[in-house]
Amino acid sequence: NAGVTQNPKFQVLKTGQSMTLQCAQDMNHNSMYWYRQDPGMGLRLIYYSASEGTTDKGEVPNGYNVSRLNKREFSLRLESAAPSQTSVYFCASQNHAGGTSGGGETQYFGPGTRLLVL
Amino acid sequence: AQSVSQHNHHVILSEAASLELGCNYSYGGTVNLFWYVQYPGQHLQLLLKYFSGDPLVKGIKGFEAEFIKSKFSFNLRKPSVQWSDTAEYFCAVNVWADYKLSFGAGTTVTVRA
Repeated sequence: NAGVTQNPKFQVLKTGQSMTLQCAQDMNHNSMYWYRQDPGMGLRLIYYSASEGTTDKGEVPNGYNVSRLNKREFSLRLESAAPSQTSVYFCASQNHAGGTSGGGETQYFGPGTRLLVL
Repeated sequence: AQSVSQHNHHVILSEAASLELGCNYSYGGTVNLFWYVQYPGQHLQLLLKYFSGDPLVKGIKGFEAEFIKSKFSFNLRKPSVQWSDTAEYFCAVNVWADYKLSFGAGTTVTVRA
């Protein structure tokens, strides 16, 4: 049981290049998330997918697109990378059961992808 | 989106000292509250959470947090820290039935042996 895995671990891009960050979870969770972590700003939600077949914007979606390929996989794409997208990107998953917890289930995080855009 | 404020950016302590990290949020309705921790080189992981019941919650590694609704606060405490508690700590909030988390900026805790 690997939990949440992310690829690649590190990437250097030039301004204007594109890339896709991969995320997969093997816990059969229905919700998946992409965050970016910047010094002094905590984690900010880029996009999320509450269930297979749905995606929604988070707090900082500009410059990104996502695909929920199936229940396991949720990818993040940078179409034209900019230096402002230099960050550490985390994927997370959650099995929200609804009902009495109201979303209080734990989110499980991947190891992160460090991206440098020159 | 609701905002989450963590009062301290960096805390430096000696082993056996007590730790308290402040967290306040801005949303006035029902919320779920979390503390996550990121040890050096590791994934973020859940330390503890509150979504109903006893406002004093206990988590892993001797941590606890108290939800004070009137103060919109969820402060994290540990009576006696160890060197292994060196990490970054994040407070997070989600509005009831909304599955998005809002995180605070994080507090880096350095424990000196």
